[in-house]
Amino acid sequence: SQELEQSPQSLIVQEGKNLTINCTSSKTLYGLYWYKQKYGEGLIFLMMLQKGGEEKSHEKITAKLDEKKQQSSLHITASQPSHAGIYLCGAVSSSGSARQLTFGSGTQLTVLP
Amino acid sequence: EAQVTQNPRYLITVTGKKLTVTCSQNMNHEYMSWYRQDPGLGLRQIYYSMNVEVTDKGDVPEGYKVSRKEKRNFPLILESPSPNQTSLYFCASSLREGNIQYFGAGTRLSVL
Repeated sequence: SQELEQSPQSLIVQEGKNLTINCTSSKTLYGLYWYKQKYGEGLIFLMMLQKGGEEKSHEKITAKLDEKKQQSSLHITASQPSHAGIYLCGAVSSSGSARQLTFGSGTQLTVLP
Repeated sequence: EAQVTQNPRYLITVTGKKLTVTCSQNMNHEYMSWYRQDPGLGLRQIYYSMNVEVTDKGDVPEGYKVSRKEKRNFPLILESPSPNQTSLYFCASSLREGNIQYFGAGTRLSVL
């Protein structure tokens, strides 16, 4: 089965700093989702990437899927306390099948004011 | 408002006492799924449903049952809960298999 490894597991940054979270897959990615979770709450969809080399941005968050489609990165520019939470990547391992949706173990982000 | 609603949000029970966690979505989604989230293990899929009366096992189905008699509802049933089922549970739905999944707020279950 597919495995997703996220790094780092936790991250503490000062407000205003940039940061990057990585998600590496053991298999080719057919769809990669980024979600954000606040402690004890549900997951909020951020972005979905499907094509190798694809890059999407929303406000200060940018996500990329590398050309080989085995790694994705999430970059936050000028971080704010509102960015704090757990970031999870989720992946579809075979084309069109949500049956194979797998999640990484998450990256805990703390932003210090 | 489009949403996935889980109830209860918090539940403390004892070993062996049957319980049901309800999940309802108002978006006319075909696909629904249950996950559990445990520290260091991330989200793991328990069961999923492609449509009414169609359900299948995910990665960790042991000890759980589901049903999909109506499109909007997808309850998770623990016939005889055990302490290793203490976890945070999420229900999710998507328009169809492979589409973006929308998650409920979660149910925190403790089995004593």
